[in-house]
Amino acid sequence: DIQMTQSPSSLSASVGDRVTITCQASQDITKSLNWYQQKPGKAPKLLIYGASNLKTGVPSRFSGSASGTDFTFTINSLQPEDIATYYCQQYDDLPITFGQGTRLEIE
Amino acid sequence: EVQLVESGGGLVQPGGSLRLSCAASGFTFTNYWIHWVRQVPGKGLVWVSRVNSDGRNTRYADSVKGRFTISRDNAQNMVYLQMNSLRAEDTAVYYCASLGNSAFWGQGTLVTVSS
Repeated sequence: DIQMTQSPSSLSASVGDRVTITCQASQDITKSLNWYQQKPGKAPKLLIYGASNLKTGVPSRFSGSASGTDFTFTINSLQPEDIATYYCQQYDDLPITFGQGTRLEIE
Repeated sequence: EVQLVESGGGLVQPGGSLRLSCAASGFTFTNYWIHWVRQVPGKGLVWVSRVNSDGRNTRYADSVKGRFTISRDNAQNMVYLQMNSLRAEDTAVYYCASLGNSAFWGQGTLVTVSS
């Protein structure tokens, strides 16, 4: 199984800050990586697909990048509505695997 | 509008059975593999099972293999998860979802296994 190691597990930042979350895959996943935002009581919402492609309608302050098996998710200029838990997910191979999640809080 | 709607969750005793349904609309259903993912409230996302486009190929997480069965009815745009021999550790919100590069999810249905 492909392991996705996501860090940090929690993060506190101020409105306007730049926030970065990372995921490392245990093997090559050929950029087959999604980033999701999940708010309490809601289903995950796709933000980034293919490691770096912004889903239509998602604000441009969200971005993703890849370098080998290392993946980075960035929120530029954090907004209050970005309070949520964020997950990475690989879809290169079954079983599908997710990162452990990053709980983002506003200071 | 692309939509997945789960139903069938509820309270069941350990050892019991439950069948979850997932109704799809707003997209070409036969083009998509459909997965089930579960989440214990307050915890992370865990993949459970996948059915391919024509329903002939299925895969399961080791934790549910032999107890759960995924199937689909392409005529009705439906996916099912038959869950047998349920255990307390199967308690979770169950989501049906497409998990590729155009991922979308249903709203989830809560399954509680308790006596």
